[in-house]
Amino acid sequence: DIQMTQSPSSLSASVGDRVTITCRASQGVGNDLNWYQQKPGKAPKRLIYAASTLQTGVPSRFSGSGSGTEFTLTISSLQPEDFATYYCLQHNNYPRTFGQGTKVEIK
Amino acid sequence: QVQLVQSGAEVKTPGASVKVSCKASGYTFTAYYIHWVRQAPGQGLDWMGWIDANGGGTNYAQNFQGRVTMTRDTSINTAYMEMSRLRSDDTAIYYCVSSNWNGGTDFDYWGQGTLVTVSS
Repeated sequence: DIQMTQSPSSLSASVGDRVTITCRASQGVGNDLNWYQQKPGKAPKRLIYAASTLQTGVPSRFSGSGSGTEFTLTISSLQPEDFATYYCLQHNNYPRTFGQGTKVEIK
Repeated sequence: QVQLVQSGAEVKTPGASVKVSCKASGYTFTAYYIHWVRQAPGQGLDWMGWIDANGGGTNYAQNFQGRVTMTRDTSINTAYMEMSRLRSDDTAIYYCVSSNWNGGTDFDYWGQGTLVTVSS
């Protein structure tokens, strides 16, 4: 199975901060990588697909980059509604695997 | 608008089976796969498998092989996930997801989740 390792596991940040989350794959997954945001008690919501394509309706402060084994999700200016847990997902190999999550908390 | 509406919470005893439904509306049901993803309390996301809503083909994660069955009924635009021989560590929220992750399209919709509690 491909292991997806996110870092950091959690972070504290202030409104307006630039935030970067990294996802590393144990083997190459091309650009078959999605990013999701999950708020407490809610289903995940996709932010990015194909590593860098912004989902329709998602604010442009979110961006994704990378390919192969290293990927990043960047929030250019953190907003109050962005405090949530973020997950990466690889869909290049079976089984599909998620990262363990990165919790973004208010500083 | 696209909606995936899942069946209600379930409480089961160890060894029992559970069947969760996922009713789709607002799009062509057979155009996308239905994935099932589960999330144990306070934990991360775990992919269980998919069913091709068109042809009915399935692909299950090895961790669930032999215990999970995914089916669909195209006449009522509904997908089902049945899990047998339930254990306490199967306690989780189960989500259905309609998407073709390898299709590179914008389409990715999640149900509201169904809490399955396994307890004696």
